[in-house]
Amino acid sequence: GAVVSQHPSRVICKSGTSVKIECRSLDFQATTMFWYRQFPKQSLMLMATSNEGSKATYEQGVEKDKFLINHASLTLSTLTVTSAHPEDSSFYICSARSGQGRGEQYFGPGTRLTVT
Amino acid sequence: DAKTTQPTSMDCAEGRAANLPCNHSTISGNEYVYWYRQIHSQGPQYIIHGLKNNETNEMASLIITEDRKSSTLILPHATLRDTAVYYCIVRPPNDYKLSFGAGTTVTVRA
Repeated sequence: GAVVSQHPSRVICKSGTSVKIECRSLDFQATTMFWYRQFPKQSLMLMATSNEGSKATYEQGVEKDKFLINHASLTLSTLTVTSAHPEDSSFYICSARSGQGRGEQYFGPGTRLTVT
Repeated sequence: DAKTTQPTSMDCAEGRAANLPCNHSTISGNEYVYWYRQIHSQGPQYIIHGLKNNETNEMASLIITEDRKSSTLILPHATLRDTAVYYCIVRPPNDYKLSFGAGTTVTVRA
């Protein structure tokens, strides 16, 4: 149990375009989902927290108009990188937390974004 | 603000126990200690967590000192697939955000 998927696993896009990354909890309902970014040889950095049906809360320094997060259902959250630039190239990882039980956080496999 | 301190790296021999230390000297009384690991180019994997008592599951054991200022993650029989970056994280009970530090890069050698 407690499986989180991400799609796509890797994506290459051109500078100036937008790209959407999906995060799904496959066997549980996720009241909260988190989005992280990880640059090469660095640790994970939390970008934002999203609760189903409400606006995401962004960490300091993360542009909410550039990284659009939608958490429309208890099993799906999407991250859209708008007007992507090469410096947005990174490993994007989501996690999902169940509102039941101990509410542990489970991570997706990550999405490798390359902006050319 | 790093709430945990871990060694940068460590090697261990396949089949032997791996003991990973973590210092969290400023931990508050109701904060949990969590351990995650990240195998190269994958998402982090939950390992174990604890509050005051020692904990054991199918993956590892967590030993927390009585004063709770440090803990040790024990992988009882390390395998090559345990090579990963291991993160020790302190989390308040009602704030589910996880703050990842640099972690410990563990290399298991045959």
